[in-house]
Order: sequence, then structure tokens, then C-alpha cells
Amino acid sequence: KAGVTQTPRYLIKTRGQQVTLSCSPISGHRSVSWYQQTPGQGLQFLFEYFSETQRNKGNFPGRFSGRQFSNSRSEMNVSTLELGDSALYLCASSPGYPMGTGELFFGEGSRLTVL
Amino acid sequence: AQSVSQHNHHVILSEAASLELGCNYSYGGTVNLFWYVQYPGQHLQLLLKYFSGDPLVKGIKGFEAEFIKSKFSFNLRKPSVQWSDTAEYFCAVTTNRDDKIIFGKGTRLHILP
Repeated sequence: KAGVTQTPRYLIKTRGQQVTLSCSPISGHRSVSWYQQTPGQGLQFLFEYFSETQRNKGNFPGRFSGRQFSNSRSEMNVSTLELGDSALYLCASSPGYPMGTGELFFGEGSRLTVL
Repeated sequence: AQSVSQHNHHVILSEAASLELGCNYSYGGTVNLFWYVQYPGQHLQLLLKYFSGDPLVKGIKGFEAEFIKSKFSFNLRKPSVQWSDTAEYFCAVTTNRDDKIIFGKGTRLHILP
């Protein structure tokens, strides 16, 4: 069974640009959640999607957004990039909702560097 | 706001030593508790979880954790560590207030061969 797939794995952007990251969950999983991992802040929850609807959102500015498609694949977008957005962005999937009742299966992440 | 504290940011042990990693959370209601592990070059994976029942839970690779409600703690333990346990360990909690998962900042464990 294929795991959670995130693309791209690495990318470099400059301040002010925008970026879109993609996540394909494990087949059959309907919940996808996103996290930002940095050395200083650790893992921070961004948002969760289930059945194409955002079910929960962390404390991030509106520049961070996401969506989920009918096949459960998800994308997250960060607009007007800032230096502080440099991080590893992790996606996780789980079979059902809410995510807090079950195990999260993580991808390897997309490492974003903002110059 | 709910929070999770992992007191040890970096732990160095020799093989066969006993391990205890601390985790405390701040929420007075019902919680679900998790420990995740990230081995070098690998993705995060679940080590163990507590939802209800026996407060002593056993996970993979000989790890266990004890939920002590009165102390708001969920410490991770292993009687005898191996070099292969070198990894970063994250404690996490969800509450019955909302379903946001909150992670601690992680503990880097380095086992000396």
C-alpha cells in the first residue's frame, strides 16, 4: 500500500512569491491534515480537510490556505511568502474524521526555503 | 490555550540505559494522547497512543507510556535503549474541546553505541 506522497520535496522561492504544495493520501483515507515543522516551533497544525471541507484550522494567517479534491488529494497554498515561512511542510492522512481519534500517517514533507 | 511541553530538548544516552522522556499537557478535560517518532531520514510514525482504559500503554519497539491524569503527564519510557532508537520524539494531544492536534516541540534522542 503506497504511503502519503508529497510533492515537490524541495523548493526555493523568494519573498513575495506564492507556492502550492500537493499531498496524495493513502488510498481510502479521507482526512488530510497539514503541519509546519520548524526547529524553533516544532510541529504546528495548519488545517484539516475531510470530504472536501475544511474541518479545522490552526493559528496561521490567511496567507495559508488549502483545499481538498473529490479524490481526497489536497493542496496547500502560501501567498506573499515571507522569510519565516521557510519550513518543512508535512501532510498526514487518516481513515476518518475527526483526526484526533486515530493514527496519522505522515508523508516525508516538502521543504520550502524562502530567500 | 492548550499546550504540550516536552522538557528535554536533547537527550544523550548509552546503549542499554533506561529512558524516560517527559510530556505534560495543559487541558483539564478529556484528552487523547500520542507519541510519534521520526527516525533519521524517515517520516513521522506513531509509536503509541492512549484514548481510554489502562493508563499504561505499550507501543512498538518496546516503548511504553503512562497517562497520569492528576499530573497531566504522558511520559514515554523504555527499559533498555538501543542505538537504533536514535530519533526525534514528539508528544501530541487532542482534546474533546476541538480536534486540533497539538504537538510538543520534540526531544532529540541520541544513543551512543
